[in-house]
Amino acid sequence: DADVTQTPRNRITKTGKRIMLECSQTKGHDRMYWYRQDPGLGLRLIYYSFDVKDINKGEISDGYSVSRQAQAKFSLSLESAIPNQTALYFCATSDRDREHGYTFGSGTRLTVV
Amino acid sequence: GENVEQHPSTLSVQEGDSAVIKCTYSDSASNYFPWYKQELGKGPQLIIDIRSNVGEKKDQRIAVTLNKTAKHFSLHITETQPEDSAVYFCAASSGGSYIPTFGRGTSLIVHP
Repeated sequence: DADVTQTPRNRITKTGKRIMLECSQTKGHDRMYWYRQDPGLGLRLIYYSFDVKDINKGEISDGYSVSRQAQAKFSLSLESAIPNQTALYFCATSDRDREHGYTFGSGTRLTVV
Repeated sequence: GENVEQHPSTLSVQEGDSAVIKCTYSDSASNYFPWYKQELGKGPQLIIDIRSNVGEKKDQRIAVTLNKTAKHFSLHITETQPEDSAVYFCAASSGGSYIPTFGRGTSLIVHP
């Protein structure tokens, strides 16, 4: 099984719909992150969490919310999806001393029509 | 905040040639520089990293160099193979939160 699992892998949704992307990890890491990838723009941080009771905004948090349900679970929600939220979304984890960098999931490709 | 510039955006080489990807950063406090490889349909994977107290690090065919004075670091891949074809990301982060800032990525194409 993958260390970081994202569901769904692909999703097409309509403008205005609420959608949740889920992430679970078996690494035992405290820190979890959500990134968005767009062609030519690299990876941009949406939200991050350093432990279950900690939630922090990243550089592009508008239009998104997150929930850290447990150490191993971190979900990303789009309350009212819009077409410019069409992108590839990645969840990642890291340990406290970043000794081994990030472990990324395989991504969720979201299309908003 | 930190700003990371990565060049080139696309790099095309023949199998067996060397490939070099360069990044610059703006925050002199940055002290950790990882490189990630993203294959098609997959998430980025850490391939090598370097800390500010080291000038160069090698792992088989890949190496990373760091010039703290000039604030730039580079990824070197020797004897490239078709399976090296991927998007490569550099990143930089400083102490404290350790949240890295990523470059925009380089698409490396290795032609057989």
